[in-house]
Amino acid sequence: DAGVTQSPTHLIKTRGQQVTLRCSPKSGHDTVSWYQQALGQGPQFIFQYYEEEERQRGNFPDRFSGHQFPNYSSELNVNALLLGDSALYLCASSLSGQGAYSNQPQHFGDGTRLSIL
Amino acid sequence: GDSVTQMEGPVTLSEEAFLTINCTYTATGYPSLFWYVQYPGEGLQLLLKATKADDKGSNKGFEATYRKETTSFHLEKGSVQVSDSAVYFCALSDINTGGFKTIFGAGTRLFVKA
Repeated sequence: DAGVTQSPTHLIKTRGQQVTLRCSPKSGHDTVSWYQQALGQGPQFIFQYYEEEERQRGNFPDRFSGHQFPNYSSELNVNALLLGDSALYLCASSLSGQGAYSNQPQHFGDGTRLSIL
Repeated sequence: GDSVTQMEGPVTLSEEAFLTINCTYTATGYPSLFWYVQYPGEGLQLLLKATKADDKGSNKGFEATYRKETTSFHLEKGSVQVSDSAVYFCALSDINTGGFKTIFGAGTRLFVKA
């Protein structure tokens, strides 16, 4: 049973460039969330996708955008990269259900390490 | 808004010592609480969870009790092993804020010496 897979594992970009990160959720999961984890910090919520739509968004600028495909996989796009965008980007998947969905734990991938020069 | 505060690390213990990592939270509603663990070079793994007051989550010898009166969810383990060395994150999700995002603390790094 494959878990959450992310690609690429590492990426180096320069300021002003654009980047696309990819995520395949755990088998059977239909919801994908993206987080940014700066060095030595906890993950910060970027946004969540369900049924191919952005369902909730954290405090990130519009330079951060995403997409979910019919097979539930997802992409995170970041435009006009800044030095401060250097971080580990984590994808997490879960199964959306009725009722108390807030207690559904998320399954995380190993992340994409993005370095901006 | 909702937030999670956990004790700063690093925490350094000898093998078989008792572990406590403190975590307190602020939430407008009745959140679900989680502990995640992150090993070097890996993503986060769910360690345990509790969804209502007085619930006790447990896994792999780790325990945490949801204390609404003190807004706390402290992580404990009676006897740590070298393999427990990792970063531990306390987290919550709150249905009153949509319930879709998980809010994490800054993490506590644990080193266990043989």
